[in-house]
Amino acid sequence: DTGVSQDPRHKITKRGQNVTFRCDPISEHNRLYWYRQTLGQGPEFLTYFQNEAQLEKSRLLSDRFSAERPKGSFSTLEIQRTEQGDSAMYLCASSLEFSEANYGYTFGSGTRLTVV
Amino acid sequence: KNEVEQSPQNLTAQEGEFITINCSYSVGISALHWLQQHPGGGIVSLFMLSSGKKKHGRLIATINIQEKHSSLHITASHPRDSAVYICAVRLSYGGSQGNLIFGKGTKLSVKP
Repeated sequence: DTGVSQDPRHKITKRGQNVTFRCDPISEHNRLYWYRQTLGQGPEFLTYFQNEAQLEKSRLLSDRFSAERPKGSFSTLEIQRTEQGDSAMYLCASSLEFSEANYGYTFGSGTRLTVV
Repeated sequence: KNEVEQSPQNLTAQEGEFITINCSYSVGISALHWLQQHPGGGIVSLFMLSSGKKKHGRLIATINIQEKHSSLHITASHPRDSAVYICAVRLSYGGSQGNLIFGKGTKLSVKP
């Protein structure tokens, strides 16, 4: 297992287009988190899954954003009708629920989205 | 006021200097993380602390739960230490905001 993988690393899209990002967590990790990070800021929570259930969504996650984790493994984050304000780094992290307190989280390298 | 505050925001040091980055928080936590983020964006977990002190190579992290404060120290700094260092806290009550709240980061630049 090579850690948390995110695809693509970079995405440039025109305003109004839809984009989808993928995150592959560490295989035995049952928790998966999505964060958004804008320039000069720390990451901000978007949503998280425990297995296939989406347990929490931030108010930052507008109706244009949707996330899925259909089989409790990989997850996708889709942004519809992208806006320039969506330009950011989208980070994924995973953890194992019962060892999270001891071993923390593993982060992916992120997907950098630029909306032009 | 942010729940997690880091200082300084930016730090420039000469190679070999001892560096300290500070993190203060205002919420109840079960653990505090120090993370390193390089320009490519990926985040590497350096430490997870719930009390006391941890050391790994030239990095030392301390936490004072009563004062709600943590420090990250880098001894004998090197240009390859140049990165953004982020403090993140795991809420003690869990289940909110995905359990982690992040500081804005400290951008460290170590000059040769």
